[in-house]
Amino acid sequence: DTEVTQTPKHLVMGMTNKKSLKCEQHMGHRAMYWYKQKAKKPPELMFVYSYEKLSINESVPSRFSPECPNSSLLNLHLHALQPEDSALYLCASSLYGQVSNQPQHFGDGTRLSIL
Amino acid sequence: GIQVEQSPPDLILQEGANSTLRCNFSDSVNNLQWFHQNPWGQLINLFYIPSGTKQNGRLSATTVATERYSLLYISSSQTTDSGVYFCAVEPMKTSYDKVIFGPGTSLSVIP
Repeated sequence: DTEVTQTPKHLVMGMTNKKSLKCEQHMGHRAMYWYKQKAKKPPELMFVYSYEKLSINESVPSRFSPECPNSSLLNLHLHALQPEDSALYLCASSLYGQVSNQPQHFGDGTRLSIL
Repeated sequence: GIQVEQSPPDLILQEGANSTLRCNFSDSVNNLQWFHQNPWGQLINLFYIPSGTKQNGRLSATTVATERYSLLYISSSQTTDSGVYFCAVEPMKTSYDKVIFGPGTSLSVIP
């Protein structure tokens, strides 16, 4: 078990569904991240919240929508996903954001399958 | 943007053997981390090492920032060391918090 908790661990959804992935940490970290990882590939950064301010990777499609209700919670809302969006979605946190000099801590991930 | 390379891409070791994994990066970085992803997908931070040398049990890492590379040493390998090892860097020249992972080294330790 890690200090970054992701739910659910597995999710199967249809292309017309709306679902949300959740991430929570109670380490007092002020930066949280969403990554997407395809099989046999490295994680790719999708979104960063640093002090609850969003930074976006412009290549991420709008069917992925992040939300940071507070500094401990990070959600990823999913809508009208495509089969190629099937992947492992990893959440991470670090004490600070850029120029942080702090390591990232990862959750166990959510395995998402789009039918 | 910055390029991150790792070598070798794949490695098979007999249990008890030692190995060295390498990470090269093409531009200056604020920090560098080594991660181990086990076969279940869990990503564990091994070292935060923007420069210098650190050791943790059978693992150690060295980063030479001026020459833009980092090395991860695994000694007396065990089957539980199997998985993928990633280095990840935070480029100095970035408009937002950005961590870029290398392609990884897939390690299999056989009994």
